[in-house]
Parts: sequence; structure tokens; C-alpha cells
Amino acid sequence: QSALTQPASVSGSPGLSITISCTGTSSDVGGYNYVSWYQQHPGKAPKLMIYEVSNRPSGVPDRFSGSKSGNTASLTISGLQAEDEADYYCSSYTSTSTRIFGGGTKLTVL
Amino acid sequence: QVQLVESGGGVVQPGRSLRLSCAASGFTFSSHGVHWVRQAPGKGLEWVAVISYDGTNKYYADSVKGRFTISRDNSKKALYLQMNSLRVEDTAVYYCARDRLAVPIVDYWGQGTLVTVSS
Repeated sequence: QSALTQPASVSGSPGLSITISCTGTSSDVGGYNYVSWYQQHPGKAPKLMIYEVSNRPSGVPDRFSGSKSGNTASLTISGLQAEDEADYYCSSYTSTSTRIFGGGTKLTVL
Repeated sequence: QVQLVESGGGVVQPGRSLRLSCAASGFTFSSHGVHWVRQAPGKGLEWVAVISYDGTNKYYADSVKGRFTISRDNSKKALYLQMNSLRVEDTAVYYCARDRLAVPIVDYWGQGTLVTVSS
């Protein structure tokens, strides 16, 4: 049950775009469309930003988008804003009915 | 609105036991799978366990299998985590989290309760 692989950190300037990758295997990310992304600000609970690869819950800005190709899912944030600075985690359902999270990516808005 | 409120955290010695609770409100608790997810200080999220909407199916992370037991009481809208043989590495904030209806995706989280295992 190794964690999904995410870059430890990414950064971008306000108004620009960044993409965070999340790599798993055919037993998790590649095998199901049950991939989700969470935003976590310091000291706060995670918040769902993307579900089922590319769907946004109500209230999440359309600047946030998700996609998947093979065993790798991606989260793209366009038009970066200061409040987007946070930790981001991907998660996937697995072939053993468990869940797995990525190691997390710290987003810095320059 | 959906609310999940954890309780029961605290400081406990290695080898001892602790029971966490999660009180749910604002939704039909008996229709959703629910999880425990933990986060060690300064670290990432680690999935711990899930229980199906009716309690018949339970799954655990390898790191807690045989030591932790997840359970629920739908009449009380409550989720539990019985933690035995606690280790220093179990120190973390423990979050209660809900699956979307009939979909294995966590959509709501509680605020967490801190468990510290230390001698």
C-alpha cells in the first residue's frame, strides 16, 4: 500500500497555471475513475475539489480541473490566486476496496 | 448541512487502547460508507479504514490491521474506531470522513481529533 506519487512542491505566479500529477498503478488510478483531489490549508480539514477524475463539487471554482491518462491523474489550477496556496492530495479507490492517498503537494503562489 | 464531529482523542501510552467516536448529522448516515483517515504531525494523509453503509463490509490499511476495529451504530448516527496495541507511530490527527452516496469518493471531513501515543 505505497502512497500515490505526487511532486512534493509546485509553485506559480498569480494568474498563471500549474498542474499537479498523481501516479499510481493499474490497481488504483489506472483501473478506476474514482480519483479525487483535496485541498488542505494549514490546521484545517481537507476539502474535496475534484471527484471522479474531472467533476467539480458545487462551490469549487472552475479554475480547478482534473484529468487522467493511464495510471496518472492530474489537477490543473488556472488563474492562480493567493488563496490557492495550500497542500493538495490525490486519492483513489483500489482493487482491494481500500483507498490510497498521494504523498501531498505543497503549492506556493509566488 | 453535513457535520462530522470526532471525539475521544488524547494522550495514551504505547501498548494501551483508545476509542474514537464520530457523531454525524445533516444527512442520512445509514446510507453512506464512512472512513477514518489520519495525518501524523507535518505529514500527509493516510487512509486507515472504511465501513460500508450497513456495517457489513470493513477494510483496513495494512498498518493497522489486527489492531484497529471500525464499527458504526446507525441508530445513533455514530462511527467508532477502537485502537488497541497503540504505537508511537499511530500519533496523528484522526479524521472521520464520509463517502458520496453509492460512490467510493470521500466528500466531507470532520475537523479531526488528535491522538498522541507517548510514554
